[in-house]
Amino acid sequence: NAGVMQNPRHLVRRRGQEARLRCSPMKGHSHVYWYRQLPEEGLKFMVYLQKENIIDESGMPKERFSAEFPKEGPSILRIQQVVRGDSAAYFCASSPDSMNTEAFFGQGTRLTVV
Amino acid sequence: TQLLEQSPQFLSIQEGENLTVYCNSSSVFSSLQWYRQEPGEGPVLLVTVVTGGEVKKLKRLTFQFGDARKDSSLHITAAQPGDTGLYLCAGLSNNDMRFGAGTRLTVKP
Repeated sequence: NAGVMQNPRHLVRRRGQEARLRCSPMKGHSHVYWYRQLPEEGLKFMVYLQKENIIDESGMPKERFSAEFPKEGPSILRIQQVVRGDSAAYFCASSPDSMNTEAFFGQGTRLTVV
Repeated sequence: TQLLEQSPQFLSIQEGENLTVYCNSSSVFSSLQWYRQEPGEGPVLLVTVVTGGEVKKLKRLTFQFGDARKDSSLHITAAQPGDTGLYLCAGLSNNDMRFGAGTRLTVKP
């Protein structure tokens, strides 16, 4: 059973371009969380999704950021018109179909905006 | 403001010493998790505590969940350089998982 897979591991974008970060949850997991981590800091919650639904997006910036978790395929975190301040490590975690269970993390995507 | 406050933020000790790090909140959680993260990697789950007052041991690591399920501590006995990393606590309630900012531990040989 493969773990949570994130790709790409490293992504470089110029200011104004779009960044797409992908997260394939563990098999059988239908809950996905996205977090952002700046160097030397902890994880900041961004969004929580279940299949085809956004449950909580209170941590997402109001503009330029969006997330989806379609019925088929990975969860996507999309950042439009990236700026230097978007440079960070973005982690996703997945958990099974029940409440308050353990979540497992991917290795993250490190986004660098130049 | 952080939902979960972790202290200390940084801790640097010598190999062989004992240490305790704390995770505190004003909110009640149905469960609380501790993770360790090494540079360039994702967090790795160490333990989940569910019951108020629960104590779990994992080799030299002892985890405790407060009676009121609002706080937790992690105690490491005879720390080793391999324990170096960022220790994160995460509280779960109503399908919501939120993290503290972490304690960055350095164990010097």
